[in-house]
Amino acid sequence: EAGVAQSPRYKIIEKRQSVAFWCNPISGHATLYWYQQILGQGPKLLIQFQNNGVVDDSQLPKDRFSAERLKGVDSTLKIQPAKLEDSAVYLCASSLAGSGGSREQFFGPGTRLTVL
Amino acid sequence: GDSVTQMEGPVTLSEEAFLTINCTYTATGYPSLFWYVQYPGEGLQLLLKATKADDKGSNKGFEATYRKETTSFHLEKGSVQVSDSAVYFCALRGQGGSEKLVFGKGTKLTVNP
Repeated sequence: EAGVAQSPRYKIIEKRQSVAFWCNPISGHATLYWYQQILGQGPKLLIQFQNNGVVDDSQLPKDRFSAERLKGVDSTLKIQPAKLEDSAVYLCASSLAGSGGSREQFFGPGTRLTVL
Repeated sequence: GDSVTQMEGPVTLSEEAFLTINCTYTATGYPSLFWYVQYPGEGLQLLLKATKADDKGSNKGFEATYRKETTSFHLEKGSVQVSDSAVYFCALRGQGGSEKLVFGKGTKLTVNP
């Protein structure tokens, strides 16, 4: 079974530029998560989708971050404009969730963003 | 809000040494508890979990017991190997509808031959 795919793996941009990350979850997983992992810290949830609807985006800095999950499969996370403090690894995870499904979250390899 | 506090690292051990990484949590009700591991260059992987008080999660020689009375979920292994070198994260999932995981800061373990 293929795992969670993310691209790009690495990205370097200058502050005030825009950047987008892509995630393809495990086939059939209804729930998709984006986490931000700053160096030396644990991952922090940015947004959670159930199919193509947002379940939790309480920690998403909505003035500069946006995310979508069209058709309830792939997802894109965008930052516009980027700040120095956005330098982090962005992790995508997916799970079956929902009634009767396993709630284990499977993580992708992450995208390491460096903002100069 | 919910939070997880885990032992500061880094931790350096010799092969076959005993490992303990402490983890305590703050949450209402009965959260589910997890240990995730991140090997160099790889993504996070679930190592073990426990979903109710007194449950013991175990995998690959690692164990952790859900202690409600001390709000703890310490990770232990009797004899570590060089291949166990990684970063270990303690996490919880709160009781109720939210699926989100709340992570500790991680503990880097290095095992020397």
